[in-house]
Amino acid sequence: GENVEQHPSTLSVQEGDSAVIKCTYSDSASNYFPWYKQELGKRPQLIIDIRSNVGEKKDQRIAVTLNKTAKHFSLHITETQPEDSAVYFCAGHTGRRALTFGSGTRLQVQP
Amino acid sequence: GAVVSQHPSRVICKSGTSVKIECRSLDFQATTMFWYRQFPKQSLMLMATSNEGSKATYEQGVEKDKFLINHASLTLSTLTVTSAHPEDSSFYICGGQADQETQYFGPGTRLLVL
Repeated sequence: GENVEQHPSTLSVQEGDSAVIKCTYSDSASNYFPWYKQELGKRPQLIIDIRSNVGEKKDQRIAVTLNKTAKHFSLHITETQPEDSAVYFCAGHTGRRALTFGSGTRLQVQP
Repeated sequence: GAVVSQHPSRVICKSGTSVKIECRSLDFQATTMFWYRQFPKQSLMLMATSNEGSKATYEQGVEKDKFLINHASLTLSTLTVTSAHPEDSSFYICGGQADQETQYFGPGTRLLVL
């Protein structure tokens, strides 16, 4: 089955700096890679996703890049703000199956 | 995005009792629903996949007789934790799949077994 690894486990940045979270996956058949943001005690919220036929996708301050050859994808957050502080999960997906989540990254944005 | 509701949001029960958690897709038909469990400071772990009108598929290590899943309609799936014990205390989250890929999560149910 799919295995998704995520790094780093914790990340602290100063407000205004950029944050990058990286994930690797094992199943070359995976074709959909969402990123979720989870605040304490709340559900994961989809913030951006990318499909395997695209190398990069951007939505305002958030971007995701995908390298199919290397089987890794990354989340980039620019101009970070304190409200970006949360746990971020990457995930991999193949067809109509459950998501396989990474272990999560706790992002702390220092004001 | 699509909306998924989940009830109750929080439940406290005595050891040995059963707890039912409902997951509803409010504005779409979820032919597949997924049940996850999340322990503190950990990732979401898939427990089972629920397809409307058929038996759920459980992940390795998840007892199907303990975690009963019913997906009787395209908008409702239920998870019943039978004979709950303190080690079952966790955050349970359902996810409804609207199209071939995107999953939308319910708000979660925090279960505390005393």
